[in-house]
Amino acid sequence: EVRLVESGGGLVQPGGSLTLSCISSGFTFSSYEMNWVRQAPGKGLEWVSYISSSGTNIDYADSVKGRFMISRDNAKNSLFLQMNNLRAEDTAVYFCARDKSYFDGDGYQYYFDFWGQGTLVTVSS
Amino acid sequence: DIQMTQSPSSLSASVGDRVTITCRAGQTISTYLNWYQQKPGKAPRLLIYAASILQSGVPSRFSGSGSGTDFTLTISSLQPEDFASYYCQQSYGTPYTFGQGTKLEIK
Repeated sequence: EVRLVESGGGLVQPGGSLTLSCISSGFTFSSYEMNWVRQAPGKGLEWVSYISSSGTNIDYADSVKGRFMISRDNAKNSLFLQMNNLRAEDTAVYFCARDKSYFDGDGYQYYFDFWGQGTLVTVSS
Repeated sequence: DIQMTQSPSSLSASVGDRVTITCRAGQTISTYLNWYQQKPGKAPRLLIYAASILQSGVPSRFSGSGSGTDFTLTISSLQPEDFASYYCQQSYGTPYTFGQGTKLEIK
């Protein structure tokens, strides 16, 4: 059974830092690209960051670029999100999501096929 | 960034109804479109990928269609467990963007 379990959320003051973790099980973690997606209270979903299976390719939403850093440890089946200089607008539930690909004959389709339960980050003084 | 617009934002329907949710992309995205269901306090669940392919384990009453800029998610006969929020998402390129969501409520 595929499982993704996030941890590390909590209350942090504006300007502070926090590191989220996502521990995976039930699949070969090193073979999959991974993402972080967040959801502010009562709002919709926002993609935050992507990392390739080897960790060499990384991408970020403009809203977090320069402040957040995604990484992974394939030996420990773990995904991380280091968040610095946090702002009130970063308050959200943060989900890790597995990225699955499918070749449709023309190109690769990508989708998030498994998600963790999320961890809440609250940025407030 | 590719803007995704869903309609309606909310919808009231009864068990057994046929329901359609629409998603429009701000530019052509071929069939790089996914649909997710989310219940309160839970993680999103993948329903449909590549615009029309049903994810394993998802009931066949869910279907997706469309290409280019206009897409639809259809639930052929609503069941009590289908009352939730639904999101479309484009995977044409990063930043991956989601629609604002459609909340499906019981009439």
